[in-house]
Amino acid sequence: LAKTTQPISMDSYEGQEVNITCSHNNIATNDYITWYQQFPSQGPRFIIQGYKTKVTNEVASLFIPADRKSSTLSLPRVSLSDTAVYYCLVAPGTAGNKLTFGGGTRVLVKP
Amino acid sequence: DVKVTQSSRYLVKRTGEKVFLECVQDMDHENMFWYRQDPGLGLRLIYFSYDVKMKEKGDIPEGYSVSREKKERFSLILESASTNQTSMYLCASSLGGTSLEEQYFGPGTRLTVT
Repeated sequence: LAKTTQPISMDSYEGQEVNITCSHNNIATNDYITWYQQFPSQGPRFIIQGYKTKVTNEVASLFIPADRKSSTLSLPRVSLSDTAVYYCLVAPGTAGNKLTFGGGTRVLVKP
Repeated sequence: DVKVTQSSRYLVKRTGEKVFLECVQDMDHENMFWYRQDPGLGLRLIYFSYDVKMKEKGDIPEGYSVSREKKERFSLILESASTNQTSMYLCASSLGGTSLEEQYFGPGTRLTVT
């Protein structure tokens, strides 16, 4: 499984865009990039997944360059309720059901 | 909505006790997982199961065992609890197939072993 590296923490202010970059230099051809969000005292929840270029949903956007060695999760116009830990994972697209969660990025949104 | 429930939010046990953590999912998912979460270490996979009575070791299985007698229920067992097993334990389930499938997590059980 490819290892991921992401910043330990980031601070932001309400209304700003938050971009979290994750590096995954050893990503394999069949791997997808997946992000989870974890609020305090809750289990993580899936927010977005992509293979290449750009994916957008109602929560976030995911940008993946052509070489796929990194990816950026973008949270537009954050609010205080976006304060959470964000995990970047590489998910094998082939058989096998394991995900490896790293330490995540703790995002603190300030008023 | 998928619902994953765990038997307790908080649990306090003594060293040497046998501890059972129960997890139930209501969406007929094939896969179920047990993680533990510790500050600075993120989530680490203990065991997972992709079918009834089937189990696979995760990254840190030592000191734990699991049981899956029914599809909806996955139990984590600490045969003889130790203080280094004090942690937050999270259960998750997913539909099946590959690890691309979204995992749905329960609220967690905070276990303290004294």
